[in-house]
Amino acid sequence: EPEVTQTPSHQVTQMGQEVILRCVPISNHLYFYWYRQILGQKVEFLVSFYNNEISEKSEIFDDQFSVERPDGSNFTLKIRSTKLEDSAMYFCASSDRKNYGYTFGSGTRLTVV
Amino acid sequence: AQKVTQAQTEISVVEKEDVTLDCVYETRDTTYYLFWYKQPPSGELVFLIRRNSFDEQNEISGRYSWNFQKSTSSFNFTITASQVVDSAVYFCALSSSGGYNKLIFGAGTRLAVHP
Repeated sequence: EPEVTQTPSHQVTQMGQEVILRCVPISNHLYFYWYRQILGQKVEFLVSFYNNEISEKSEIFDDQFSVERPDGSNFTLKIRSTKLEDSAMYFCASSDRKNYGYTFGSGTRLTVV
Repeated sequence: AQKVTQAQTEISVVEKEDVTLDCVYETRDTTYYLFWYKQPPSGELVFLIRRNSFDEQNEISGRYSWNFQKSTSSFNFTITASQVVDSAVYFCALSSSGGYNKLIFGAGTRLAVHP
């Protein structure tokens, strides 16, 4: 069964550093997403991406965050200057059409120290 | 505004018991979709079911069943004859047909099944 692949599975970074989280969505999917889950809390929507642009973003997704699909297969989330409160599990997801069951990646656990 | 409420924070049962996880949602949209996801201790999100707002038929998949009632805005999930492997956090989620399909998650219910 096709999978969404996320790398790395765990990243530790120092406060103020830039991080890039990587995702390879399912190849024929057109809609891409990032979600965040702070430890022990609910999963929160960050951003959706369609047709090479952001289609919707939450208030969490401020100027410190950006997304990119640089080469037609990868989908990245960049955090420019990490803060302690950015520590969370970040999930990438993709969908082949609106409102179909998402496929989530296995997540990247980001720890900011 | 859209909202998903999972009032049960934690449930503890003994193996072979039946357990129902509650989900209540709020939306003004007439077309929407409801989901259940399982998050085992390993952390990934496992898709269980999607239901659209026009399909109120209950669904059964093995030991899992779902009861969708628009009249009470509920989409409850029952595990029959629970097993230790069912121990996980279960999330209910909602999305509307408009926009680009962001999922609004409930806070989750942690299910512990003891031998």
